[in-house]
Amino acid sequence: GAVVSQHPSWVICKSGTSVKIECRSLDFQATTMFWYRQFPKQSLMLMATSNEGSKATYEQGVEKDKFLINHASLTLSTLTVTSAHPEDSSFYICSASRGGESPLHFGNGTRLTVT
Amino acid sequence: DQQVKQNSPSLSVQEGRISILNCDYTNSMFDYFLWYKKYPAEGPTFLISISSIKDKNEDGRFTVFLNKSAKHLSLHIVPSQPGDSAVYFCAARGGTSYGKLTFGQGTILTVHP
Repeated sequence: GAVVSQHPSWVICKSGTSVKIECRSLDFQATTMFWYRQFPKQSLMLMATSNEGSKATYEQGVEKDKFLINHASLTLSTLTVTSAHPEDSSFYICSASRGGESPLHFGNGTRLTVT
Repeated sequence: DQQVKQNSPSLSVQEGRISILNCDYTNSMFDYFLWYKKYPAEGPTFLISISSIKDKNEDGRFTVFLNKSAKHLSLHIVPSQPGDSAVYFCAARGGTSYGKLTFGQGTILTVHP
C-alpha cells in the first residue's frame, strides 16, 4: 500500500497566488523528505531536501524564496509555491524513505497549473 | 550534464515476450541503482534495486543486471504483460544522501496483447 501521501493531487491557481502542497509519510517517521519536479516528457529533477526541524537544502538553480519548504513534524513536509507564475506549472512529487537501504517511496504527485 | 541516460524513449513488446530496458550512467560514485514504474499523473512506484556490490537482482518477473565496468544496467521483464505498459525510470544514488536520486529520462514501455 501507499506509504507516502501527497495532497492535493491537482490544483489550478491564478498567477501571483501561493499554493501549498502537503506530503505525509503514512506509517513511518521521516526525518528527511525530498521534493522533485517533473516537466512534461522530462525526467524527475530533485528540487530540495526537506529536513525535520531545520532548513531545507535546495538544489542549484531552485529559488528558496519561491519554493518554501517546511518540515514541521516527522511525518509532514509542505512545499509552498509563492507568487506562482505560469512557468511554475509542473508536476511536483514528494518522496521519503524509511532509511538505510530502503528505497525512496513517492507520493502520487501534484499537478500544478498556473493560469 | 545527464549523468543517467535512458537512450530509448520507447519500447514496444508483444505480450509474453521479454522486455529489456537499458540505462547508462557516467558517475562512478553511484553505488545504488533503482528502477521505478510510473503512470501518467501518478508518482513513481518502486520496482527493484541493486547495489553496486552485486551484478544481478531478481524479483519475480523483474531482473536487474548491473555491469559496472560498462556503467550500464538493464531491467528485464519476463514474461511481459499489458499491465506493464508504463514509463520506466532508472535512478542512481551515490554518496551519503540516500534520497538524492538522479533519474534517467524514462522509457515508455508498451506491451501489446
